[in-house]
Amino acid sequence: NAGVTQTPKFQVLKTGQSMTLQCAQDMNHEYMSWYRQDPGMGLRLIHYSVGAGITDQGEVPNGYNVSRSTTEDFPLRLLSAAPSQTSVYFCASSYVAGIWETQYFGPGTRLLVL
Amino acid sequence: ILNVEQSPQSLHVQEGDSTNFTCSFPSSNFYALHWYRWETAKSPEALFVMTLNGDEKKKGRISATLNTKEGYSYLYIKGSQPEDSATYLCAPIETSGSRLTFGEGTQLTVNP
Repeated sequence: NAGVTQTPKFQVLKTGQSMTLQCAQDMNHEYMSWYRQDPGMGLRLIHYSVGAGITDQGEVPNGYNVSRSTTEDFPLRLLSAAPSQTSVYFCASSYVAGIWETQYFGPGTRLLVL
Repeated sequence: ILNVEQSPQSLHVQEGDSTNFTCSFPSSNFYALHWYRWETAKSPEALFVMTLNGDEKKKGRISATLNTKEGYSYLYIKGSQPEDSATYLCAPIETSGSRLTFGEGTQLTVNP
């Protein structure tokens, strides 16, 4: 199993550009989520999904869209990048039957918005 | 959004010292608590998932206890080693059970 994979590893964007951060898992996990990590603020939840076709907002959803058309993939879209979105983004997954299950994190995507 | 506090924010100890740190959370609507270990330039890795008041979990030299009535969990490291240097995150879950809320973490540095 590859576990949770994220692409790209690093990206530089200009303000106003759009892009999609990819996240995939091959563990048949129902629950997937996106976090951003900023200095002094820990991990903050952006969006999450409890299964294909179902998504919901986390703490900091503004400026981001998600979709979950398959169990394996959970892409995060930045609609119009802003410098405030400079961060490290982590995708995580677990078996759904609850998030009391261990979360498996991807390696992260480092995003710089100029 | 849960109010999760971890203390101290950072901690420097000598190799061989034992240490502990705290995660505080609202005791009402508690469902479960996760502890994660996060090394620099890597991804967070799960240590424990705890659900019951009085729970105690152990993994090698690391152990954790849970008090759901007063809303705290302790993480202990016995005989710290340099490889224990990392940020330790806790994440409680409310009974609505749909998401984790992470604390800011305790950054541990173990000096050889």
